[in-house]
Amino acid sequence: DVKVTQSSRYLVKRTGEKVFLECVQDMDHENMFWYRQDPGLGLRLIYFSYDVKMKEKGDIPEGYSVSREKKERFSLILESASTNQTSMYLCASVTWTGRGYTFGSGTRLTVV
Amino acid sequence: AQKITQTQPGMFVQEKEAVTLDCTYDTSDQSYGLFWYKQPSSGEMIFLIYQGSYDEQNATEGRYSLNFQKARKSANLVISASQLGDSAMYFCAMREGRGLTGGGNKLTFGTGTQLKVEL
Repeated sequence: DVKVTQSSRYLVKRTGEKVFLECVQDMDHENMFWYRQDPGLGLRLIYFSYDVKMKEKGDIPEGYSVSREKKERFSLILESASTNQTSMYLCASVTWTGRGYTFGSGTRLTVV
Repeated sequence: AQKITQTQPGMFVQEKEAVTLDCTYDTSDQSYGLFWYKQPSSGEMIFLIYQGSYDEQNATEGRYSLNFQKARKSANLVISASQLGDSAMYFCAMREGRGLTGGGNKLTFGTGTQLKVEL
């Protein structure tokens, strides 16, 4: 089975801290995504990457950056965490066919 | 404009009955894909069913079927014989374009429907 692993299930950080959320997939997928999930808003795309070192902004990139130095790893960076970034963060990857999306189990981030 | 609209924030259904969760979408692409995911309280996203825009038959996966009405741009999920374990949040999502590489694999999600199955 394809696995997408997010490094932390729960995280509590202070306002202003730099935060790294890590995501690793083991099936050689080209495409990887970061979403944030908030009640009543569904999942919203923050950033995605379709190849190593390639990235594109999603719908809500403000306050975030990403890094993809290796194909299997896609990191989400909160440069200076703020309380409005308290949310559930989900990573996903997909085959080039665009059908086999697999999600990680999510990281629930609280910024205090 | 919303690309995926789920108008039912919450639904109740009796065990063993069928339930339909609504989803409408908006795209100008001829080629696209529609997905339904289940998210139990544990938070994991579980893939349920996929429908390609060129698929002529409605997709089915066990107790799940997708009622695809292309002209109306709707992709409703039908769950037959509901079980207590079906209680979860359900998301409709769309991939515009043919997939492949580049940005063509972005999934856009609706706001979800919380389904509660009762005895």
